[in-house]
Amino acid sequence: EADIYQTPRYLVIGTGKKITLECSQTMGHDKMYWYQQDPGMELHLIHYSYGVNSTEKGDLSSESTVSRIRTEHFPLTLESARPSHTSQYLCASSWTGRSNEQFFGPGTRLTVL
Amino acid sequence: KQEVTQIPAALSVPEGENLVLNCSFTDSAIYNLQWFRQDPGKGLTSLLLIQSSQREQTSGRLNASLDKSSGRSTLYIAASQPGDSATYLCAVPTDSWGKFQFGAGTQVVVTP
Repeated sequence: EADIYQTPRYLVIGTGKKITLECSQTMGHDKMYWYQQDPGMELHLIHYSYGVNSTEKGDLSSESTVSRIRTEHFPLTLESARPSHTSQYLCASSWTGRSNEQFFGPGTRLTVL
Repeated sequence: KQEVTQIPAALSVPEGENLVLNCSFTDSAIYNLQWFRQDPGKGLTSLLLIQSSQREQTSGRLNASLDKSSGRSTLYIAASQPGDSATYLCAVPTDSWGKFQFGAGTQVVVTP
């Protein structure tokens, strides 16, 4: 069982609010990822990190930002939420020493009114 | 650029029938291929990771095959059960650093 956690699981907020989605893993994985997924649609990589102090933008343009100050923690922040940000956000991690096999958290369902 | 295709997009089978799910990729120079299961509104659960040097990987009722030369992987689920109803996704690395390209998934319904 993968030990990767996301909070909150569900979030409903108003337009213009600043939000932070939390993601933590206890497996000591070096790589972490954020994906965005609309219902019934493909996963899109929005951010990833190869290790502490490393962050990169993914294939899908996103107005969010991320940080990686500690190995186990990879929060995603939206400075000003908009209805277009309504989606499911999935966090994942992997370890170079295990062929980068990815493990996912349960997801955060974000609704911006 | 690596492209991953999963056909069919949806599949419905009666309980007890074997499931065959397909995954195709355009660049055969892959390090491995991973199969996932996703239940509605949930995260992805890793089912199997098959290395590029392997032809098959098995876990319980699940068996994944890999044919790099033809750019295909197949996930077999034996004796399907209603609890197998979910969306199944495959993913391949796009580089050696750990970025992945996912297929759109095959939505499976197993009817009692």
